[in-house]
Amino acid sequence: GENVEQHPSTLSVQEGDSAVIKCTYSDSASNYFPWYKQELGKRPQLIIDIRSNVGEKKDQRIAVTLNKTAKHFSLHITETQPEDSAVYFCAAVNYGQNFVFGPGTRLSVLP
Amino acid sequence: GAVVSQHPSRVICKSGTSVKIECRSLDFQATTMFWYRQFPKQSLMLMATSNEGSKATYEQGVEKDKFLINHASLTLSTLTVTSAHPEDSSFYICSAMNREVNYGYTFGSGTRLTVV
Repeated sequence: GENVEQHPSTLSVQEGDSAVIKCTYSDSASNYFPWYKQELGKRPQLIIDIRSNVGEKKDQRIAVTLNKTAKHFSLHITETQPEDSAVYFCAAVNYGQNFVFGPGTRLSVLP
Repeated sequence: GAVVSQHPSRVICKSGTSVKIECRSLDFQATTMFWYRQFPKQSLMLMATSNEGSKATYEQGVEKDKFLINHASLTLSTLTVTSAHPEDSSFYICSAMNREVNYGYTFGSGTRLTVV
């Protein structure tokens, strides 16, 4: 089955700097890659996603890149703000089947 | 957009009792429902997959007799934690699939279960 790895497990950045989180997946059949942000005590919230027919997608300060050949995708957050501090989860999905989540990255944005 | 209503959002129960969690798709037919569990400081892990009118498929290590899943209609799926124990305390969240929409997955709001 699918296996998703995520790095780093923790990440601290200064406010205004960029943050990059990388995920790798094992199943070449996966074709949908969402990213979730989870604040303490709350449910995960979808922040951006990408499908396998696209190499990059951007939404304001957040972007995701996908390299299907290497089976990895990355989340990029620019101009980080303290409210970006949270745990971020990537997931790989073979459409029609369940999400397989990465183990998460705890991002801390230091003021 | 598509909405999945999950109830209750929080529940505290005594050891040995049963708790039922409901996920209802409000404006679409959920042919498939995924149930996930998240222990503190861990990721979300799939517990089981249910298709309307069929028996659920459980992941390895998830006891089907303890976690009863019913998906009797296209808009309602329930997860019952039977004879709950403190180690069942976790965050449970459902995800409904709407096959009429490309990549149509909608998560419920989650249920935080505390067994005392």
